[in-house]
Amino acid sequence: AQSVTQPDIHITVSEGASLELRCNYSYGATPYLFWYVQSPGQGLQLLLKYFSGDTLVQGIKGFEAEFKRSQSSFNLRKPSVHWSDAAEYFCAVGAGEYGNKLVFGAGTILRVKS
Amino acid sequence: DVKVTQSSRYLVKRTGEKVFLECVQDMDHENMFWYRQDPGLGLRLIYFSYDVKMKEKGDIPEGYSVSREKKERFSLILESASTNQTSMYLCASSFRNNEQFFGPGTRLTVL
Repeated sequence: AQSVTQPDIHITVSEGASLELRCNYSYGATPYLFWYVQSPGQGLQLLLKYFSGDTLVQGIKGFEAEFKRSQSSFNLRKPSVHWSDAAEYFCAVGAGEYGNKLVFGAGTILRVKS
Repeated sequence: DVKVTQSSRYLVKRTGEKVFLECVQDMDHENMFWYRQDPGLGLRLIYFSYDVKMKEKGDIPEGYSVSREKKERFSLILESASTNQTSMYLCASSFRNNEQFFGPGTRLTVL
């Protein structure tokens, strides 16, 4: 069965520092991969997605992610974090016969210190 | 802009009550989903629907049922609410295997 692991429950970074959030997935075929962000009290917003092609994917708000098949990873990065990036981040893999279901990781809570 | 709306942001119910959570999307998406979100567990799929009157169980369907009579509307039903169903409930919709768009969530408390 498909699964997603986000090893870090909480991460704290200083404003202006770089960020990397880890995501490992388990899936037999070429996966559809997603990163979502959830601000407090809000629904989830898509940051970026990978379906195929270039393994470095650019998203909104200056985020990017790199798909590494050999490591079964899809880590999220940002070169310089802003205080407004404080939120919870979820990695997800497309599952099911048509890839239209998502399996989510447990999430990583990002705190930004000024 | 895709819009997914949920009928309530906050809901308080008593044990044993029948609870209806409503979700409406305005983008003619064929797929709709109900998740519950609990701290440390991420989002877990309760049910999803890939067409009108079609539904499939997700990972945690026990204690829940769903209804999809119209393409834009997907309802989650708690037949007899219990305290362990206190949670955040998120609805989402998607077109085929593309990204899912989420509603703002309903925080349900069962006393």
